[in-house]
Amino acid sequence: DAKTTQPPSMDCAEGRAANLPCNHSTISGNEYVYWYRQIHSQGPQYIIHGLKNNETNEMASLIITEDRKSSTLILPHATLRDTAVYYCIVRVGDNAGNMLTFGGGTRLMVKP
Amino acid sequence: EAGVVQSPRYKIIEKKQPVAFWCNPISGHNTLYWYLQNLGQGPELLIRYENEEAVDDSQLPKDRFSAERLKGVDSTLKIQPAELGDSAVYLCASSLDGGAQETQYFGPGTRLLVL
Repeated sequence: DAKTTQPPSMDCAEGRAANLPCNHSTISGNEYVYWYRQIHSQGPQYIIHGLKNNETNEMASLIITEDRKSSTLILPHATLRDTAVYYCIVRVGDNAGNMLTFGGGTRLMVKP
Repeated sequence: EAGVVQSPRYKIIEKKQPVAFWCNPISGHNTLYWYLQNLGQGPELLIRYENEEAVDDSQLPKDRFSAERLKGVDSTLKIQPAELGDSAVYLCASSLDGGAQETQYFGPGTRLLVL
């Protein structure tokens, strides 16, 4: 699976949009971009995933660049409860074992 | 619907002692995963089960770690004997099946401290 690069930490003001970037310049055509987050003392939680089109659900939006070499996770109105480590993962889209390879993630701190 | 259940939540043992972690996946989920998470790092896969069969255990240190999922539901991960470096969080996850687009649901983890 392709490697991802994320900033180690970011701050965001409560109520503002949080934009978390991820670089995956070696991504292959059949690899999906996944985002999970991990709140302190909890297990990782699925947020969203996409292949090449932008995606939106009740938690967040995922914007993937046209060349698919980078993506941005957007939390439109960050709350204090969104403080967590956010992991960007690139994963092969066939039945290749469903393995998640986590990197270091981005530690997002939402401040009042 | 209950999520992935793990017990105990915390465990403190002395080195060279055995320890076991238990996981109950979401009902109906055929695929079960055990991950290891060291402090400040992302989780790393130890073993993956499809029903009762371990289909990927390449990252499991087999000299001291063992796992089982006898009836294809609950699973147990064991360490014997534990070493200081085994102090970490042990996460269990499950998914409906092993398909690459299946969402994995994680339990809260067991935090192990080896003294």
